[in-house]
Order: sequence, then C-alpha cells, then structure tokens
Amino acid sequence: AQKVTQAQTEISVVEKEDVTLDCVYETRDTTYYLFWYKQPPSGELVFLIRRNSFDEQNEISGRYSWNFQKSTSSFNFTITASQVVDSAVYFCALRGSGANSKLTFGKGITLSVRP
Amino acid sequence: DAGVTQSPTHLIKTRGQQVTLRCSPISGHKSVSWYQQVLGQGPQFIFQYYEKEERGRGNFPDRFSARQFPNYSSELNVNALLLGDSALYLCASSLRQGSGNGYTFGSGTRLTVV
Repeated sequence: AQKVTQAQTEISVVEKEDVTLDCVYETRDTTYYLFWYKQPPSGELVFLIRRNSFDEQNEISGRYSWNFQKSTSSFNFTITASQVVDSAVYFCALRGSGANSKLTFGKGITLSVRP
Repeated sequence: DAGVTQSPTHLIKTRGQQVTLRCSPISGHKSVSWYQQVLGQGPQFIFQYYEKEERGRGNFPDRFSARQFPNYSSELNVNALLLGDSALYLCASSLRQGSGNGYTFGSGTRLTVV
C-alpha cells in the first residue's frame, strides 16, 4: 500500500519569509515517482515537480527548491521569499511503477502568505 | 494548445439522481484518470483509462462507472447519488498509462448533491 503524509495542515507566513512544506511517503515499490502540485482557489491542480526514486539530487527552480531524502522517505518543498501569489493548497503525491500508475495524494497543506 | 477541459464546471443534483461528467484530454494524450476531491482532503483515485480500456480502479462503489471514447475523451457516470458524493471531480490526462511525467489536470467539475 502507498501512503503520503503531510502532517502540516495550515501554515501562515508574512510575505518574504521562507517556508518549508513537509512530505513523508510510504511505498514498497523500488521504482516510484514523487510529485508536488499547487491548487489555487480555481481548483485546477498545477504541476510543480516530479522526482523519480533514483534521482536524489535536490532541485531549485527560482524561489522553489525540493529536498528528496530516501533515507527518511521525505520529499520536502521550500519556498524562499514567499509572495502573496504563493497562497494556495499544496499537495504531495506518490506514483508507483508499471501498472500501478495511480497518484496517491496527501491531504494537502494550506499556505497563506500575508502582505 | 488547449489543456484538459472538463464540463460542466458546476452541477447541482438531488439525491438518487444520476450524473455524467465529461473530460477532453490534451491532444495526443491517450490516458485519462478520474479523481474525487472531497472538501479539505486530497484527491482520491477513481479510474484510469488507456486506449479505451479500464486500466485501474480505486476503492469506489459500483455506482461509479466510466468509459473512454475513440477520440480519448472520457465520461464519468455516478448513479443513485448520495450526499457524500458532493465533491470536486478532477480529470487528468497523460501521454500513456505508465507515464513518468506529471499528469495534467483539468479545473474540475464541482458536484453538489442536495
């Protein structure tokens, strides 16, 4: 069985603060993929990043960075110098390999960035 | 290029009624998946279709069914609606079934059952 845990439910920060969103996953697959999605109030899930289980390199994209650690089964997401436009619900998701291609989502983290 | 389009955007139904939700994937994408997102929760997998065949089914009752057409668009049907079926229904498309890339989601259909 696959499981994604996002222990934080709501985070509120002031603009320009850094914020880290935590994600812990469970899977028995040796090959798997991890994702982060952003869901603004409009409802659409916006793809942010994909990581496969063999690539533990951290990634930085502008103000966004991701820290993947297989040893702790974590895939954390950091927003540097947060902006009001970052306010949304953020989901971490896990997909297994082969025919097991469904996405298993965490419960999401509501991020509010105040001016 | 058009993204994933879903219709209708909002829908209100009465308990016991039936509903059909529609999804058009990105051009060239052959796989469509359906997810249910109840308020305050993450999306839950309902179905995946690839090349017009069901390739995966989540833990949902038989009241939920779906199909994929030759043009790869898809319909999700829910019979005998319950209040608990009220949710945002999301459609996602991908190039193929086992795509390692991120799925592209539509904006969803918000279903309210009264």
